[in-house]
Amino acid sequence: DSGVTQTPKHLITATGQRVTLRCSPRSGDLSVYWYQQSLDQGLQFLIQYYNGEERAKGNILERFSAQQFPDLHSELNLSSLELGDSALYFCASSPTGVGRGEQYFGPGTRLTVT
Amino acid sequence: TQLLEQSPQFLSIQEGENLTVYCNSSSVFSSLQWYRQEPGEGPVLLVTVVTGGEVKKLKRLTFQFGDARKDSSLHITAAQPGDTGLYLCAGRQDRDDKIIFGKGTRLHILP
Repeated sequence: DSGVTQTPKHLITATGQRVTLRCSPRSGDLSVYWYQQSLDQGLQFLIQYYNGEERAKGNILERFSAQQFPDLHSELNLSSLELGDSALYFCASSPTGVGRGEQYFGPGTRLTVT
Repeated sequence: TQLLEQSPQFLSIQEGENLTVYCNSSSVFSSLQWYRQEPGEGPVLLVTVVTGGEVKKLKRLTFQFGDARKDSSLHITAAQPGDTGLYLCAGRQDRDDKIIFGKGTRLHILP
């Protein structure tokens, strides 16, 4: 158990809908990262927050947004969902914004768009 | 975009054999991590290497960081079925601090 929690574990929704994925980092960690993992694309970095502020942006679509709250939990909002958004979404946390790059991953949310 | 290339993509070997998987890039990394991921679960951190030429051992797993900090290898001695999984390398690039992941090596150890 990494100490990172993600909810929900599974999510099934229809195209065009909007969903919110939630992540709680390990106790004391200030950074949260979001990743998308699909079979053909590997682990794709979406966005990083550090202590409430956006720190780095990866291949995140405009239909997706995220935020980190004062209690350091984070939410990833996915809107106007398409079939191709079906994937595993992982959250990871680390103690600092830079550090050595070590990340601790949650168990993931499996999103299925039908 | 700089990439981390992992090879081989797939490897299936018998229990007891030795194996090496590789992680290569043209980028220089300030640190590099190896993770193992099992189906439906999140990646689990195995090791971090930070110094060129560094070697770290974790039981039967030996990790090496290249002298130029552009590549790394993972050697498993006497592989066991419990070693089965997706092995991912990730590096923090020197030039922009971004973390990038390789696509992984999917390892299957046959009993």
